Amino acid sequence: DAKTTQPPSMDCAEGRAANLPCNHSTISGNEYVYWYRQIHSQGPQYIIHGLKNNETNEMASLIITEDRKSSTLILPHATLRDTAVYYCIVKWNSGNTPLVFGKGTRLSVIA
Amino acid sequence: EPEVTQTPSHQVTQMGQEVILRCVPISNHLYFYWYRQILGQKVEFLVSFYNNEISEKSEIFDDQFSVERPDGSNFTLKIRSTKLEDSAMYFCARYPPPGANTEAFFGQGTRLTVV
Repeated sequence: DAKTTQPPSMDCAEGRAANLPCNHSTISGNEYVYWYRQIHSQGPQYIIHGLKNNETNEMASLIITEDRKSSTLILPHATLRDTAVYYCIVKWNSGNTPLVFGKGTRLSVIA
Repeated sequence: EPEVTQTPSHQVTQMGQEVILRCVPISNHLYFYWYRQILGQKVEFLVSFYNNEISEKSEIFDDQFSVERPDGSNFTLKIRSTKLEDSAMYFCARYPPPGANTEAFFGQGTRLTVV
């Protein structure tokens, strides 16, 4: 699986959009970009994933650059409950290869 | 209702004792994974289990560890002789079948403390 690079921490004001970047310059053509988050010491929670098109669901939007070497997770209106560690993971979608978690980005939403 | 329930939520055990951590799915899932997270460190893959067999394991998953599905529903992780360094959060995850375009669901974890 391709390696990802994320900033270690970010702050965001409550109610503003949180934009979390991820670099994955070695991604291969059949690898997807997944985002999970971990609130305090709870189990990782799935947020969104995509291959090359931008994706949106009730939690977030995922913007993938045209060359697929980087992506941005957008939380449109961050709340205090969005304070968590956010993980960007690149993996094949088919098959059951394990998720490989890095250190992620610790997002602090500030009132 | 959670996809995956783990019990107990917290387990304290003495070094050298055996512990069994349990994972209970709400439906007849076939693919299960165990991960662990030592305090302050990354979430690490331990083992994957499909159709009552180990399909993949990491170097962390040594002979002290075992997994099974003893009654066709509960999915267990056993540590035979616990060490202090086994203290961690242990997460069970239910995975979709190959090719399914859905995500993995993690349980809320069991905090294991070895004293």
